[in-house]
Amino acid sequence: GENVEQHPSTLSVQEGDSAVIKCTYSDSASNYFPWYKQELGKRPQLIIDIRSNVGEKKDQRIAVTLNKTAKHFSLHITETQPEDSAVYFCAASIRRALTFGSGTRLQVQP
Amino acid sequence: GAVVSQHPSWVICKSGTSVKIECRSLDFQATTMFWYRQFPKQSLMLMATSNEGSKATYEQGVEKDKFLINHASLTLSTLTVTSAHPEDSSFYICSAIRAPGGPYEQYFGPGTRLTVT
Repeated sequence: GENVEQHPSTLSVQEGDSAVIKCTYSDSASNYFPWYKQELGKRPQLIIDIRSNVGEKKDQRIAVTLNKTAKHFSLHITETQPEDSAVYFCAASIRRALTFGSGTRLQVQP
Repeated sequence: GAVVSQHPSWVICKSGTSVKIECRSLDFQATTMFWYRQFPKQSLMLMATSNEGSKATYEQGVEKDKFLINHASLTLSTLTVTSAHPEDSSFYICSAIRAPGGPYEQYFGPGTRLTVT
């Protein structure tokens, strides 16, 4: 089955700096790559997603890049704010079932 | 639109008893629902895929006789944890997609915190 690896497990940045989280996947058949933000005890919130026929997508301060050849995708958050502090998960999807990465705890220091 | 609810939001039960968790799509029809389990400080792990009107497909290592899934209608899937044990204590989250061939996005329920004593 699909295997998704995510790095780093924790990331601390100063407010205003950029944050980058990276994921790799194993199954070349995966065709959908969402990123979620999860706060403690809450449901995952979709923050951005990308399909396999697209290399990059941006939404305000958030961007995702996908390299299908290398089977990796990355989340970029610019101008980080304290409210960006949370756990972020990447995921890969084959036939709609999601395989999640292990998560990155992002702390934005004011 | 695309709201998914779960009930209950939290439950405490005694070891050996069974617990039923409901997942409902409130404003759309969901032909497919997924059940995930999340242990503290860990990721979400897919337990099973539930298709309306057919048997659920379980992931490797998930006991289908222990985690009974029923998807009896286009808006409701249930997960029953049978003969619960303390190691079943976890956060259970369901998700739903609108229809086959439609948008890829999954809509997550708010989760159910199960504590087995």
